Amino acid sequence: NAGVTQTPKFQVLKTGQSMTLQCAQDMNHEYMSWYRQDPGMGLRLIHYSVGAGITDQGEVPNGYNVSRSTTEDFPLRLLSAAPSQTSVYFCASSRRSTGWAFFGQGTRLTVV
Amino acid sequence: RKEVEQDPGPFNVPEGATVAFNCTYSNSASQSFFWYRQDCRKEPKLLMSVYSSGNEDGRFTAQLNRASQYISLLIRDSKLSDSATYLCVVNKGNTPLVFGKGTRLSVIA
Repeated sequence: NAGVTQTPKFQVLKTGQSMTLQCAQDMNHEYMSWYRQDPGMGLRLIHYSVGAGITDQGEVPNGYNVSRSTTEDFPLRLLSAAPSQTSVYFCASSRRSTGWAFFGQGTRLTVV
Repeated sequence: RKEVEQDPGPFNVPEGATVAFNCTYSNSASQSFFWYRQDCRKEPKLLMSVYSSGNEDGRFTAQLNRASQYISLLIRDSKLSDSATYLCVVNKGNTPLVFGKGTRLSVIA
């Protein structure tokens, strides 16, 4: 079972560059979310989706875009990277209305 | 007020000790509650659900007090392998999970 797969695991970007963090799940979960985790800040929700074609903003959406064209995939796009986006990014999926979220292994992003 | 609040710790306890963490939540509409565990530089993983009647899984016991809006996690006979950050998580239904910032536990030999 692959579960939730995130790529890449590590990335260094220059300020102003764009990139896409990939997230795929093979559990047919309706819900998918992107979080960022910074020291002392806990997990903060960036964007989420309750199903294919439906996305919504979380607590810290600025500078990020998402789309959900299939149930399996939920990519996160950084439009113009800034040093403030240096963080660890986690993708998660879960069944509708449960708290049993499964997380990917995370992407450690550094913006210089 | 933060939606989910936890004491960040760290809690430094000797092996074999009993340790308890509390978590408070502000939204009375919250429906379900969980404890997740996160090891250093790893992803969070579900530890256990929290029910009003309380639930136990081996050395771990979780309790929910809806009237006071707090959740607790008790770990008995602590092991070195219990060292991790414990995240309190609240679900309001058809909305994303809300995570506390976590409580760090270090079990010392």
